[in-house]
Formats: sequence, structure tokens, C-alpha cells
Amino acid sequence: ETGVTQTPRHLVMGMTNKKSLKCEQHLGHNAMYWYKQSAKKPLELMFVYNFKEQTENNSVPSRFSPECPNSSHLFLHLHTLQPEDSALYLCASSQGQADQPQHFGDGTRLSIL
Amino acid sequence: GENVEQHPSTLSVQEGDSAVIKCTYSDSASNYFPWYKQELGKRPQLIIDIRSNVGEKKDQRIAVTLNKTAKHFSLHITETQPEDSAVYFCAASGGYQKVTFGIGTKLQVIP
Repeated sequence: ETGVTQTPRHLVMGMTNKKSLKCEQHLGHNAMYWYKQSAKKPLELMFVYNFKEQTENNSVPSRFSPECPNSSHLFLHLHTLQPEDSALYLCASSQGQADQPQHFGDGTRLSIL
Repeated sequence: GENVEQHPSTLSVQEGDSAVIKCTYSDSASNYFPWYKQELGKRPQLIIDIRSNVGEKKDQRIAVTLNKTAKHFSLHITETQPEDSAVYFCAASGGYQKVTFGIGTKLQVIP
């Protein structure tokens, strides 16, 4: 399934770098999500966008900055990250409300040096 | 907010045996309960879901049961196969655009 595509697959960056994660969905969905997946922790919802409007910011530090230019594209801009931010970042999309299945991308494995 | 607890965290079964994973939730307004399977190095994928107006749902070797009164739901896998080995996540959703996931269960099916 290539409905949700994330790039890059792997990213190594220093704490002072600025980088961006990209997500694109080809499913015609109107909602897109960013999740953080760390070892031995539940999937952590970071941001939710519905029809390009941010509807959820789950107390995420400002060093993570999302951008949703349209319903098919979602970005996560990163700057001044900390070592504890190293994780797998998953993008997902769904049609409509939270009571619909989410389709995930393969994720970006982020390592902060 | 919603709190979802999932157990066990790890589960080993012999091939052909059944596996059961249980989840509880706290928000009585939750009405949608999906289960996702994540194989090593791959994306989570929906395997089955259930809504609050249904008590049980089955799809071949996989079934999910829901007890709204007790606020718990379970995943049942029968006749397990090695390809069932993965991490399974339960989730509950009741609010607008917000899904809460359990911590995950690592299932190992021993040939």
C-alpha cells in the first residue's frame, strides 16, 4: 500500500540543525496526523489537521512546528531538537472523524546526535 | 482525557494456539475501537475494528469483543501462525479527531 508516503525514511541531525519531515497521502482523506513512536511507550498523538486546519496540538514543544498547505500534504519542521526527540515519527490520514480507520505511512526514523 | 490500558505487554504462544489481548478504556463516550498490527520495521495497519453498537465482530481467524459496561475490549486470534508475530495496538476514540492508543502487545508465535 502506498497511500501514505513519508520522506525521508531515516534522518540523522545535530541539535542545532533545522530539517523537515514530509508526508503525502493519495487517499482523498481530509484529516492528517503526526505521531511519535518511542520504545515501550504508546503511540503519542502530536498534531491533527482537518481540512488544512489544526484541530489538535497535544502539548507538543515548540521545537516541532507542523504545516499543512493542503489536505494531501503535511510537514513537520524540526529545529533545536533534543536527544530525547529521537524516535519514529509516523504520519497518518483518515476520512473525517476519529471514528474512522487511520492509514499510516512507513515513518521517519529520526536520530538526534 | 481518555486512558487506554493494554495487557499483556508480551505474549508467546505455540503455533496453532489462540492468543488473547485485552484493553480497557476510561471514557464512556468512546465509540470506536480499532486494532492495529505493526510488523517489525513496518507501518501499523488496521486489522479489525468495532463500534459501540456492536458486541462482537469476526473476520476469519480474528475476532474482537466489546463490553461497554465494563469498558473493555479484547482481540482474539485463533489458530495462530508465525506471520501473526507482530506488535498489536488497541485504540479508543470518542472525541473529535482524537484517538488514544494502548502501549502495545508484542506477540510471538513459536513454530
